Amino acid sequence: DAMVIQNPRYQVTQFGKPVTLSCSQTLNHNVMYWYQQKSSQAPKLLFHYYDKDFNNEADTPDNFQSRRPNTSFCFLDIRSPGLGDAAMYLCATSRDRQGYEQYFGPGTRLTVT
Amino acid sequence: QQPVQSPQAVILREGEDAVINCSSSKALYSVHWYRQKHGEAPVFLMILLKGGEQKGHEKISASFNEKKQQSSLYLTASQLSYSGTYFCGTHGSGNTGKLIFGQGTTLQVKP
Repeated sequence: DAMVIQNPRYQVTQFGKPVTLSCSQTLNHNVMYWYQQKSSQAPKLLFHYYDKDFNNEADTPDNFQSRRPNTSFCFLDIRSPGLGDAAMYLCATSRDRQGYEQYFGPGTRLTVT
Repeated sequence: QQPVQSPQAVILREGEDAVINCSSSKALYSVHWYRQKHGEAPVFLMILLKGGEQKGHEKISASFNEKKQQSSLYLTASQLSYSGTYFCGTHGSGNTGKLIFGQGTTLQVKP
């Protein structure tokens, strides 16, 4: 089945230790998104790629970066995780930016110790 | 700006109906509805693109009033499986790709 896959599902990292979360998709969608979701809150968009075009949200901290080496894969890098970065990180894809549903991966739960 | 959902929470008995509202202060291009169960990813329910559009999916339907910048999700004859948090997501005009989610409405269906 075509899907959005995130690895790992659970990630524990130490304060200040860089961490990378990965997302892959078999849907061949143009757009890939990264959201951060904290407990009892709505998903918050960090950035998205429209094909190779990177779009950063104005309020996304510089600590968060992303790479999309090809259509199928997208990575979220957190350079120096702080305790406040502990959250669920959701990857989503859509065929285009407007008018199409977003398909979410299962998420990666990040814990910072 | 984040759309506002109401109510924040609702508790139902199986078979009862519920309405969840989503209101925006900005002009909308589309409204998405998702359901998220605890510890899981959001699951797409439906998207509404046109003013006045209504859509249905079994016993879950939605309407979108473009002029009022509002959308409503209707859950009829609720089932236990409907429990979860419902989010509306809105796209403004302009092809920015940004979907802004409301704060969510927690629905609990009891036997």
